[in-house]
Amino acid sequence: GAVVSQHPSRVICKSGTSVKIECRSLDFQATTMFWYRQFPKKSLMLMATSNEGSKATYEQGVEKDKFLINHASLTLSTLTVTSAHPEDSSFYICSAQLAGTAADTQYFGPGTRLTVL
Amino acid sequence: KNQVEQSPQSLIILEGKNCTLQCNYTVSPFSNLRWYKQDTGRGPVSLTIMTFSENTKSNGRYTATLDADTKQSSLHITASQLSDSASYICVVTSGGSYIPTFGRGTSLIVHP
Repeated sequence: GAVVSQHPSRVICKSGTSVKIECRSLDFQATTMFWYRQFPKKSLMLMATSNEGSKATYEQGVEKDKFLINHASLTLSTLTVTSAHPEDSSFYICSAQLAGTAADTQYFGPGTRLTVL
Repeated sequence: KNQVEQSPQSLIILEGKNCTLQCNYTVSPFSNLRWYKQDTGRGPVSLTIMTFSENTKSNGRYTATLDADTKQSSLHITASQLSDSASYICVVTSGGSYIPTFGRGTSLIVHP
């Protein structure tokens, strides 16, 4: 159990377009979801924390108007990269936190590779 | 400032050998410490999770230890296999905020 999916797994887009990435918890409810980006051979960098039904909390340096996060239900969060530029090319990973667990277990999605041309 | 430091940054070993990865942290207050395995181009997969009262946790050939007093953890891999080649990430979660702090990871390469 505790599977998290992301869609799409890979996306290539032109500079200036917007891209939406979905993160779903398939078999559990997640009150909190996290969005990360990862550059090659680097560690994951937390971008934002998303709680169902409320606004996301963004980490310092992350533009909230560029990376729009919506967490409309307990099983779905979306990240929209608006007006994407080549420097936004990265590996984006979400994680979902199993609700009501003392160990606040996070389960990671498989990631989405974004390439902006 | 909460920090998680991992060592070594990279490690190359021969198949069948054992190895130990280190994780030191300054996260406070402490909630839990997790080790993840991340294959290239994939999301991290949880190997072990330990809370304050646990000092050893095993998952097959992976054994994690935790010393909450010295704020150190280790991940021991026994009888390494080629499929163990991956990045191993130590993540420490702060109590209260439950925001995780990630280490930079140790890149492990297992050669035949």
